[in-house]
Amino acid sequence: DADVTQTPRNRITKTGKRIMLECSQTKGHDRMYWYRQDPGLGLRLIYYSFDVKDINKGEISDGYSVSRQAQAKFSLSLESAIPNQTALYFCATSDPDRTLGDTQYFGPGTRLTVL
Amino acid sequence: AQSVTQLGSHVSVSEGALVLLRCNYSSSVPPYLFWYVQYPNQGLQLLLKYTSAATLVKGINGFEAEFKKSETSFHLTKPSAHMSDAAEYFCAVSGPGNQFYFGTGTSLTVIP
Repeated sequence: DADVTQTPRNRITKTGKRIMLECSQTKGHDRMYWYRQDPGLGLRLIYYSFDVKDINKGEISDGYSVSRQAQAKFSLSLESAIPNQTALYFCATSDPDRTLGDTQYFGPGTRLTVL
Repeated sequence: AQSVTQLGSHVSVSEGALVLLRCNYSSSVPPYLFWYVQYPNQGLQLLLKYTSAATLVKGINGFEAEFKKSETSFHLTKPSAHMSDAAEYFCAVSGPGNQFYFGTGTSLTVIP
């Protein structure tokens, strides 16, 4: 079974709709991250969470919000989707005991298309 | 501040030839550096990482990378390319709070 799962894997929606992407992990990690991947731009950090009560904005948080429902669950929401949010979204986790240099483990990604 | 630059967004090699993917970093602290691989329609998978131990780091699938402080480089190599190596490769540096800063990626094509 996969350690980091994302649902849905693919989603097509319309401009203005609210969308939630979900991430679950069984690795027991406190730290979770949301990235988006765009061709030619690599991965960019949207939000990250060090524990259930700690949420931080990343490089490109505008237009997004997150919820950390439990240690194992971290959801990303687009309150009103727009076409330039069409991208591949990845969730990742890392070990709670390291502040630098620890491996991040990635989910399989969610491909979101906003029409 | 931390950042990485990957030179060459697309690299093509013949099967059996040397693979060289370039990565240069910028870091205000001793860097922790990573190479990840992304196969089509999959997430990112760790290939190898440098954490200030040996400067030559060996990873999975025959890949290795050498940390060169004087050149601020962490290039990824494999002596002999295999068709299954075709993928997107990302270099990353770890910053405060374990935030990762990724390069823009290099797409590797292996020609039979």
